[in-house]
Amino acid sequence: GAVVSQHPSRVICKSGTSVKIECRSLDFQATTMFWYRQFPKQSLMLMATSNEGSKATYEQGVEKDKFLINHASLTLSTLTVTSAHPEDSSFYICSANQGLVQDGYTFGSGTRLTVV
Amino acid sequence: AQSVAQPEDQVNVAEGNPLTVKCTYSVSGNPYLFWYVQYPNRGLQFLLKYITGDNLVKGSYGFEAEFNKSQTSFHLKKPSALVSDSALYFCAVRARNTGGFKTIFGAGTRLFVKA
Repeated sequence: GAVVSQHPSRVICKSGTSVKIECRSLDFQATTMFWYRQFPKQSLMLMATSNEGSKATYEQGVEKDKFLINHASLTLSTLTVTSAHPEDSSFYICSANQGLVQDGYTFGSGTRLTVV
Repeated sequence: AQSVAQPEDQVNVAEGNPLTVKCTYSVSGNPYLFWYVQYPNRGLQFLLKYITGDNLVKGSYGFEAEFNKSQTSFHLKKPSALVSDSALYFCAVRARNTGGFKTIFGAGTRLFVKA
């Protein structure tokens, strides 16, 4: 079945630095990938939709310059948290599908970001 | 304003019994509705979605959900629960508003299935 690999699984960074998280579709081409953030006490938020070869579409309230998304190929999307602050500490999850309405979504295993 | 509610923090059901996990929503316009499941130590998984068409949507692992426009609900159901269905379930609604599309997730419902 479809597999999405997310890397790294955990990262600790210092305030003010930037962190890049990768999301790869291993056995299918993903024209669309999604980035989510899961807050403590389990609440989820869709941050943005990553479209291969074009600009990402951000959800309302998500800072585009803070969370940079690049989807340069059909198998890779990256999320860069720029100038990280402790409040950016969270669990970030990506998902992907092949762009067809009837397709489901395959999720990566998530990245735990801790900003110190 | 767009919102989604999962009124139950926890649902307990005996194995073999039918299960229902409730979800209601509020949007202006036509919603896209989703159910996701998060198993312990296994990450998030997509279960099913309603975009348009037949109100009854069938998804993974024997789950189904019915879009009820008049009641603004999208309850998740399964005829016969398994212990392995014990997990955290999220309902989500996606709709277009003045600023573009937005997806809102419910707070989640933890399902416990007892053998």
